[in-house]
Amino acid sequence: RKEVEQDPGPFNVPEGATVAFNCTYSNSASQSFFWYRQDCRKEPKLLMSVYSSGNEDGRFTAQLNRASQYISLLIRDSKLSDSATYLCVVKRVMTGGSYIPTFGRGTSLIVHP
Amino acid sequence: NAGVTQTPKFQVLKTGQSMTLQCAQDMNHNSMYWYRQDPGMGLRLIYYSASEGTTDKGEVPNGYNVSRLNKREFSLRLESAAPSQTSVYFCASSELSGESVGELFFGEGSRLTVL
Repeated sequence: RKEVEQDPGPFNVPEGATVAFNCTYSNSASQSFFWYRQDCRKEPKLLMSVYSSGNEDGRFTAQLNRASQYISLLIRDSKLSDSATYLCVVKRVMTGGSYIPTFGRGTSLIVHP
Repeated sequence: NAGVTQTPKFQVLKTGQSMTLQCAQDMNHNSMYWYRQDPGMGLRLIYYSASEGTTDKGEVPNGYNVSRLNKREFSLRLESAAPSQTSVYFCASSELSGESVGELFFGEGSRLTVL
């Protein structure tokens, strides 16, 4: 089983729709969680961190469920510019203090007019 | 602000040739990483360097070597390129502590084709 799993999609939604992505992770020692966004043929960039209590940044809401080992990303009022691939990232702290960021395969979102 | 700079951006190699991908960051980060990204596979960690003077294998290290030359620079070497190494390579850096703890900063990527 891959350490971080995501539905690759694509999710094809109209402008203004609400869309949600889930990501599951297998290692219960995982300690930090993030969502990154990657535009076509570009490098990934941090979208938001995911905190245990859940957090919101404008139209984006991220939640963490440690008991079930999954994180989610909710996008409200989708814009054309939200079209991208959303990457789930899980990090574990290794002995010595370094941490290993592990990426899911990404979920593709296409927002159409 | 340069951030993370990778060179070259594009490269075509023949099977068996060698090459080195260069990466430099100007953010004084301790940790640096090399990933490869293939269609449908996401980003897979090749090697990482938690701090200057240390390197460790990631998920897919076979066929690669790395050098953490100093705190700024982390290079990735293909000694004998194979078609299976055709990919997009990303270098990234991060700091372990501080307000931005955990955020990875990526270079623009290096697109490598092995014929």
